[in-house]
Amino acid sequence: RKEVEQDPGPFNVPEGATVAFNCTYSNSASQSFFWYRQDCRKEPKLLMSVYSSGNEDGRFTAQLNRASQYISLLIRDSKLSDSATYLCVVNRAGNMLTFGGGTRLMVKP
Amino acid sequence: DVKVTQSSRYLVKRTGEKVFLECVQDMDHENMFWYRQDPGLGLRLIYFSYDVKMKEKGDIPEGYSVSREKKERFSLILESASTNQTSMYLCASSLTGTSMNTEAFFGQGTRLTVV
Repeated sequence: RKEVEQDPGPFNVPEGATVAFNCTYSNSASQSFFWYRQDCRKEPKLLMSVYSSGNEDGRFTAQLNRASQYISLLIRDSKLSDSATYLCVVNRAGNMLTFGGGTRLMVKP
Repeated sequence: DVKVTQSSRYLVKRTGEKVFLECVQDMDHENMFWYRQDPGLGLRLIYFSYDVKMKEKGDIPEGYSVSREKKERFSLILESASTNQTSMYLCASSLTGTSMNTEAFFGQGTRLTVV
């Protein structure tokens, strides 16, 4: 079993839709959690950290459920520019970052 | 501006060659990483270094070694390149610290083809 698992998608949604991605992780000792975004042929970049109490950044909301060991990302009012691959990232002890396989989002006009 | 620079964007090497991939960061980060990214498999950690001359194996270290002689530079070495090492290689760096400031910054990637 992979340490960090995501549905690869693709998720095809119309502009303006709300879309949610989930990610599960297997190591209960994981300390911190992030969502990264990767555009085609580009390097990954941090989208947002995921706080225990949940956090929001504009149209993006991240949630963490430690008991069930999953992380979610909600995108409201999807834009064409949101089309990308979203990577769930877990920080094991010792600052070692483990990436999920990514979920591909395609927002259509 | 934060910068992680990988020495090459594209490389073509022959089977059996020794290959060096270089990565330099200018942020004084303690941690540096090498990942490879393959379709359907995502980013997989090859090696991790948390300090000069210190290294830890990641999930797929076989066939690779690393060198970190200076804080800003982390090299990935393919001792004898094989075709199954054809991939996109990504270097990253991050601070050591509390959980929420461990954002990793990535280089632009090196697409290595072994023929």
